[in-house]
Amino acid sequence: EPEVTQTPSHQVTQMGQEVILRCVPISNHLYFYWYRQILGQKVEFLVSFYNNEISEKSEIFDDQFSVERPDGSNFTLKIRSTKLEDSAMYFCASSERRRASTDTQYFGPGTRLTVL
Amino acid sequence: DQQVKQNSPSLSVQEGRISILNCDYTNSMFDYFLWYKKYPAEGPTFLISISSIKDKNEDGRFTVFLNKSAKHLSLHIVPSQPGDSAVYFCAAKDTGTASKLTFGTGTRLQVTL
Repeated sequence: EPEVTQTPSHQVTQMGQEVILRCVPISNHLYFYWYRQILGQKVEFLVSFYNNEISEKSEIFDDQFSVERPDGSNFTLKIRSTKLEDSAMYFCASSERRRASTDTQYFGPGTRLTVL
Repeated sequence: DQQVKQNSPSLSVQEGRISILNCDYTNSMFDYFLWYKKYPAEGPTFLISISSIKDKNEDGRFTVFLNKSAKHLSLHIVPSQPGDSAVYFCAAKDTGTASKLTFGTGTRLQVTL
């Protein structure tokens, strides 16, 4: 069964460093998302991406964040200068369609980001 | 921002009995609802969904009920199995204007032998 994959599974970085989290969405999906879950809190939407541009973003997704689809398979989330409060599980998701009522987002296993 | 609420942080049910997980929402624009199951150190796994044009959707042991007037949905698992022990998240979407899912805080289900 096709699945969303993410690398690395765990990333440890120093505050102020740049990190890139990688995702390979399901191959025939057209819409891509990043969510995060801070320990003990709920899963929060960060950004959605379609046709090589951001279609929606949350207040969390500030100038420190960026997303890119550098080739036909990868989807990346970059945090330019990490802060302690960026420590969280980051989930990538993909879906075939964005607005259709039967659309379902399928999630990857997550990358645990630890900022020291 | 508490647009989707799961008021029970945990639930314990005996194997073979029914598990009922509840979810309330406040945004009347939400028209599509999903339940995800999550094991530790894994991503959310899609379970079942329901559109606002329906009031019930069933898939095997899982049934979701939607009460639009009360802005309430529930997930029934019958019969409950030990492998169902996980955190269950309710999520909602406004398919007309937004692509994002808004999640509840989750309910940890423990199915005991």
